Amino acid sequence: DTEVTQTPKHLVMGMTNKKSLKCEQHMGHRAMYWYKQKAKKPPELMFVYSYEKLSINESVPSRFSPECPNSSLLNLHLHALQPEDSALYLCASSQELPGQGEVAGANVLTFGAGSRLTVL
Amino acid sequence: EDQVTQSPEALRLQEGESSSLNCSYTVSGLRGLFWYRQDPGKGPEFLFTLYSAGEEKEKERLKATLTKKESFLHITAPKPEDSATYLCAGYSGSARQLTFGSGTQLTVLP
Repeated sequence: DTEVTQTPKHLVMGMTNKKSLKCEQHMGHRAMYWYKQKAKKPPELMFVYSYEKLSINESVPSRFSPECPNSSLLNLHLHALQPEDSALYLCASSQELPGQGEVAGANVLTFGAGSRLTVL
Repeated sequence: EDQVTQSPEALRLQEGESSSLNCSYTVSGLRGLFWYRQDPGKGPEFLFTLYSAGEEKEKERLKATLTKKESFLHITAPKPEDSATYLCAGYSGSARQLTFGSGTQLTVLP
């Protein structure tokens, strides 16, 4: 199994709603990532988990709350979002973080298909 | 600050018309230069990783090369199905993260 599965594919929510995005991988990868991508822009890193611990938080507003319940699952909890948060949210995983292993390919990110979020 | 710059922003080719996409980078402690393909509304799909200057990798009509300052993605005799946005990214060993370029949107006309 070489896939990263994201649900839901599409989500529409109001500014007062609470919702969650989910991500699952069964490749035995130990690093998992959340990226945000606006139209015609490159992906922007939000959070990185390594061995189920938060490793990087790119100064993301607290209305986005990540959670890594186990090595295969990554959630992004959403609360009180703004319309400008509408974007494609991408989950990714890699075998290791760079610097934690010199095996070629260990830091290749495998991306999911994304969750398209619209905030009204 | 790590930077990755891609050119051109957009490229339209006729089917069979070969060309190259450019990726210039300044990434501290580079641990890999990555090329991804992204179709509209989908996640990026991994194509290649290059680790050292002089390295080359090929896959079907695509060939990626790396120097100390830039990488090229050569597309030979492209087909309409090669139409996509091609993203270049550098992995910084010191910052421990991937820095993406803005991408080149490639359109191949039949």
